[in-house]
Amino acid sequence: QVQLVQSGAEVKRPGDSVKLSCKASGYTFTTYYMHWVRQAPGQGLEWLGVISPIAGTTNFAQMLQGRLTVTRDTSTATVYMELSSLRSEDTAVYYCAGGLGYTDRLDPWGQGTLVTVSS
Amino acid sequence: QSVPTQPPSVSGAPGQTVTISCTGTTSNIGAGYDVHWYQHLPGTAPRLLIYGDNNRPSGVPDRFSGSKSGTSASLAISGLRAEDEADYYCLSYDSSLRGMSFGGGTKLTVL
Repeated sequence: QVQLVQSGAEVKRPGDSVKLSCKASGYTFTTYYMHWVRQAPGQGLEWLGVISPIAGTTNFAQMLQGRLTVTRDTSTATVYMELSSLRSEDTAVYYCAGGLGYTDRLDPWGQGTLVTVSS
Repeated sequence: QSVPTQPPSVSGAPGQTVTISCTGTTSNIGAGYDVHWYQHLPGTAPRLLIYGDNNRPSGVPDRFSGSKSGTSASLAISGLRAEDEADYYCLSYDSSLRGMSFGGGTKLTVL
């Protein structure tokens, strides 16, 4: 079955970077655009960015421009999200989610990765 | 930021019908982009309830229905059950942001 499996929880200091992974299985990797979404404690879902599985082109939410990098490794069917210059407000559960098109519904979803930023 | 707007909370008694609105702009819902709806429970990944304005994925009960008109969309939940208590989000593409945009979320309480 289609599955997205994310890497484990991370604890970081302010100013650090964090790199999360999302490994796809059960389908042809190039089928889905891969989006990243996060939910901070007590807050709603927030779309962060997307990568095209074939061309590798990306687009990010304006507020994260310059701090967010998303890459993909087609040989291992894995997408990576790196967020730099971490702040306490980056503490959140981060999800990867597949979309058939750039503007399409997000489904399936990974299980989520908790990132805690604390001094 | 042109985030679609949702009411922070709605409530209803078991068996009743509730409606959650999602008010957008001419750069997202009003531009004709599809609206999708998610149910989110703490500690779990969001669950797709409605896609493409009014389509239900396999396995989603027909108690859940979606509609869209102009710059707004709605999710209706009929025959409310205790297990429907969750947060609900709408999602659409926004051409001015050049990315996807979630509504602020609505907490449903089943009385």
